[in-house]
Amino acid sequence: GDSVTQMEGPVTLSEEAFLTINCTYTATGYPSLFWYVQYPGEGLQLLLKATKADDKGSNKGFEATYRKETTSFHLEKGSVQVSDSAVYFCALTSMDSNYQLIWGAGTKLIIKP
Amino acid sequence: AAGVIQSPRHLIKEKRETATLKCYPIPRHDTVYWYQQGPGQDPQFLISFYEKMQSDKGSIPDRFSAQQFSDYHSELNMSSLELGDSALYFCASSLDPTSGGRYEQYFGPGTRLTVT
Repeated sequence: GDSVTQMEGPVTLSEEAFLTINCTYTATGYPSLFWYVQYPGEGLQLLLKATKADDKGSNKGFEATYRKETTSFHLEKGSVQVSDSAVYFCALTSMDSNYQLIWGAGTKLIIKP
Repeated sequence: AAGVIQSPRHLIKEKRETATLKCYPIPRHDTVYWYQQGPGQDPQFLISFYEKMQSDKGSIPDRFSAQQFSDYHSELNMSSLELGDSALYFCASSLDPTSGGRYEQYFGPGTRLTVT
């Protein structure tokens, strides 16, 4: 079945550093790809999405490009802030998954001032 | 913009009691999903409804049941609660996902259930 693999955390960076959180997927069809963010003690917020190959999702300085050739959807940000500290989940939906979200394990990001 | 509403936000129950969680989707969203998230874990899909019919079922225990009503709100009923049911329960809503899967799920703030 479909699956999502993302890099293990925690990832600890200094403020203004460059961020990459790797995410790769396995899917038989043509999935839609998402990044969700969960701040401490809060719910899940959709950060960005891409629905077809070569699409780039972007929001709040974060970007991710749907790479079908490498089955990847890596999350990047050029300069992180302390307020970006959260858990980031990569996820997909597809017809094969009956459109339920298939989640990665989540990556905890810690940004130090 | 209106978001997904869940109630209650916090709930404390004893073992073997019952609990009912409510979810009010974003207006015009016709699909509702329920997820369970344990501490430090990714969300686990429980069940979903589209146009008031169950559309998919995940790892939902037989002790749990859910339904979607005519106004599209949904309720998750949990009986014979166990300590292991303590978790965050999220509801999400979307437009018709079968429209090419383009429609993302928007999550509510969650209900934190503690079973003692």
